[in-house]
Amino acid sequence: DAKTTQPTSMDCAEGRAANLPCNHSTISGNEYVYWYRQIHSQGPQYIIHGLKNNETNEMASLIITEDRKSSTLILPHATLRDTAVYYCIRGEDGGATNKLIFGTGTLLAVQP
Amino acid sequence: EAQVTQNPRYLITVTGKKLTVTCSQNMNHEYMSWYRQDPGLGLRQIYYSMNVEVTDKGDVPEGYKVSRKEKRNFPLILESPSPNQTSLYFCASSLYGVIGTVPYEQYFGPGTRLTVT
Repeated sequence: DAKTTQPTSMDCAEGRAANLPCNHSTISGNEYVYWYRQIHSQGPQYIIHGLKNNETNEMASLIITEDRKSSTLILPHATLRDTAVYYCIRGEDGGATNKLIFGTGTLLAVQP
Repeated sequence: EAQVTQNPRYLITVTGKKLTVTCSQNMNHEYMSWYRQDPGLGLRQIYYSMNVEVTDKGDVPEGYKVSRKEKRNFPLILESPSPNQTSLYFCASSLYGVIGTVPYEQYFGPGTRLTVT
């Protein structure tokens, strides 16, 4: 049970911002939210993580709602190489094992 | 280049023939883990290791063994492979498991596609 909900698929035009939503309404106070992506059967790639505050790095921004029940990953200028399955993951058990529980993710298709 | 390597990348074998999939990282990471990925089931953790000589079961450990004699290596051993172990396997590592409640980003290898006939 991944305990996060994401749309199955999304499209985005190349050069535009891609906004990927994730619902994690039962998240507990000390659980982080991680985002990873997987490009066609390659190893998953870490993107970003956060707890309460919005976060930004060279790849993306993570916006977490104040109640922490949902978050949005933003790729500011999507390219064709960003076509991948994006996983929103709660850090449950993270305090003990650093285990990642992958759900089904969102297949983002960036269109030329 | 910082990376996690796995060998072999592809393997076709027969039921019962022992095999080892190697995993090595060059980042001096303490934490290492194995996942398998199956259609419709996503990635599931098999085993993990918090540090040298410290290993523990993940969600699907049956039929697998691991060892962690050196920090950089974390081999996955299938003593008697069966067809239901046909899967795509990923090794991952991170600097630490967790410090307090702070988890660490994990770096994944390129994957090993295993077919057991």
